[in-house]
Amino acid sequence: RKEVEQDPGPFNVPEGATVAFNCTYSNSASQSFFWYRQDCRKEPKLLMSVYSSGNEDGRFTAQLNRASQYISLLIRDSKLSDSATYLCVVFPWTGGRRALTFGSGTRLQVQP
Amino acid sequence: ETGVTQSPTHLIKTRGQQVTLRCSSQSGHNTVSWYQQALGQGPQFIFQYYREEENGRGNFPPRFSGLQFPNYSSELNVNALELDDSALYLCASSSMWGADDEQYFGPGTRLTVT
Repeated sequence: RKEVEQDPGPFNVPEGATVAFNCTYSNSASQSFFWYRQDCRKEPKLLMSVYSSGNEDGRFTAQLNRASQYISLLIRDSKLSDSATYLCVVFPWTGGRRALTFGSGTRLQVQP
Repeated sequence: ETGVTQSPTHLIKTRGQQVTLRCSSQSGHNTVSWYQQALGQGPQFIFQYYREEENGRGNFPPRFSGLQFPNYSSELNVNALELDDSALYLCASSSMWGADDEQYFGPGTRLTVT
């Protein structure tokens, strides 16, 4: 079983749509959680951190459920520029080692 | 931009050859992590260097090795290249024990093994 599992998509949605991505993780010792965005053939870039209380950054809302080991990302009012792969990332920081564990990514295509 | 640079941008090698990839970390960062991203997959952790020593390793064979230099830049070496080593190799710099948890990725080196 993969440590971080995501639906690979692709999710094809029209502009203005609301889309939700889900992710589950297996390591209960995970300390921190993130969503990264990766454009085609580019490096991953941090989109937002994820907290148990839920957090929002403009059109993006992230949520963490530690009991269910489940992370979500909601994108409202999708824009063409949101088209990318979204990577769910957990950070099982142990012994000072800061190694991110990535899911395989969910591809989003926003269409005009 | 993150300030993390990698060289070369692209590389084509033949199976069995050896390759060295380079990474310059962001100013103020003392830790470099290397990741391999195969097509259609998320990045996989190879290893991490902190103060010139390996500080954790993922599930990669010993033919993947690395170095970190006193200026915190780093090299990834891969010996006896295999076709499956074709991937985007990413380095990420961060500050161990710092308040900022974020790892800053370089643009990557795309390696093709034929």
